[in-house]
Amino acid sequence: DQQVKQNSPSLSVQEGRISILNCDYTNSMFDYFLWYKKYPAEGPTFLISISSIKDKNEDGRFTVFLNKSAKHLSLHIVPSQPGDSAVYFCAAKSGATTDKLIFGTGTRLQVFP
Amino acid sequence: DVKVTQSSRYLVKRTGEKVFLECVQDMDHENMFWYRQDPGLGLRLIYFSYDVKMKEKGDIPEGYSVSREKKERFSLILESASTNQTSMYLCATSRGNYGYTFGSGTRLTVV
Repeated sequence: DQQVKQNSPSLSVQEGRISILNCDYTNSMFDYFLWYKKYPAEGPTFLISISSIKDKNEDGRFTVFLNKSAKHLSLHIVPSQPGDSAVYFCAAKSGATTDKLIFGTGTRLQVFP
Repeated sequence: DVKVTQSSRYLVKRTGEKVFLECVQDMDHENMFWYRQDPGLGLRLIYFSYDVKMKEKGDIPEGYSVSREKKERFSLILESASTNQTSMYLCATSRGNYGYTFGSGTRLTVV
């Protein structure tokens, strides 16, 4: 039972354009969401997060949007750069007492010149 | 910065061998996790630990065990390695509501 879903396994975007990565979840108890970026042969690195009390969080070129009613979040990267080419995982967790993250299946982003 | 070190980047083991994957962190984090990453399946939680000598099963614990004798070290054990355990193994630590810090991963191949 996949509680966090990334339905697009891959995305290709031209440099300078916007990249939009999507994530859906099924568990209404999730209250904190994160995006991680992973290069080959490296561990994932934290990118940006959002609490369920917000609907938007921005950090430089990266913005995460949360639509609780639709159980959907998205990551926007503007402008996209070739160095953004990586696999992106969304993750979610619930409750203040547990740190266990549930990850999606990942989306491979390729930014071409 | 928190450093999470996994002892091996690449490992090749034979079917039936007992395999130890080691993870060490240097920032006194309480929580430690073992995931495996497979194409199309994302990151799946194997085991986690919130304290020394404490362990909890994740979503796919079958065929694995763990050990946490010291706060900084969390070991993943494959009791009898099988080819379906060929994967990228990722260790992570966390403290509170701040997300994870991952190690660089161990690419295990079982032949």
